[in-house]
Amino acid sequence: AAGVIQSPRHLIKEKRETATLKCYPIPRHDTVYWYQQGPGQDPQFLISFYEKMQSDKGSIPDRFSAQQFSDYHSELNMSSLELGDSALYFCASSLRRPSGNTIYFGEGSWLTVV
Amino acid sequence: SQQGEEDPQALSIQEGENATMNCSYKTSINNLQWYRQNSGRGLVHLILIRSNEREKHSGRLRVTLDTSKKSSSLLITASRAADTASYFCATGSFNDMRFGAGTRLTVKP
Repeated sequence: AAGVIQSPRHLIKEKRETATLKCYPIPRHDTVYWYQQGPGQDPQFLISFYEKMQSDKGSIPDRFSAQQFSDYHSELNMSSLELGDSALYFCASSLRRPSGNTIYFGEGSWLTVV
Repeated sequence: SQQGEEDPQALSIQEGENATMNCSYKTSINNLQWYRQNSGRGLVHLILIRSNEREKHSGRLRVTLDTSKKSSSLLITASRAADTASYFCATGSFNDMRFGAGTRLTVKP
């Protein structure tokens, strides 16, 4: 079965550069979530989209933005990168209805800021 | 802020032994989920237990939930080396899921 696809899997950027991560949810899933997991940290919720509209916002820095496109894929844009942005970024998808559906995570995109 | 907190933070056992990990949370919940994460890999959903359930089984996994104590436990029976991973509990809606710090389980062959 198709899973959540994230690209790129690995990305190295310099400080103050911009990075874009892409997420392709499981077909027919209407909700996408982004999480950030720093080295040795637990995953932190960043932002979510439902039917291409922003649904909820977590601890996402102002330097980051995200959107969901008409084909339901989502992109996380990170600008003015800082060393502390180095982390594993997960995308996840689910069906909002009925409630209690499983959320599926991608393998994550490793961002290293040097 | 962290919703779930795992205990212990690290656990090392021999293959064949049982592993028990605990999770505590702070607010009322509708359900609690457990995830596994192999080093540097994606989170894999293991099991969901609803707030009106006390125990749930899935293969070698047994999850309990005590809403009065705001705690849950994950038991892995007859552990295997392949069970080596970090295990997280998570609460909240999918829109705002909060993960605990995780328990790092090492199963020695």
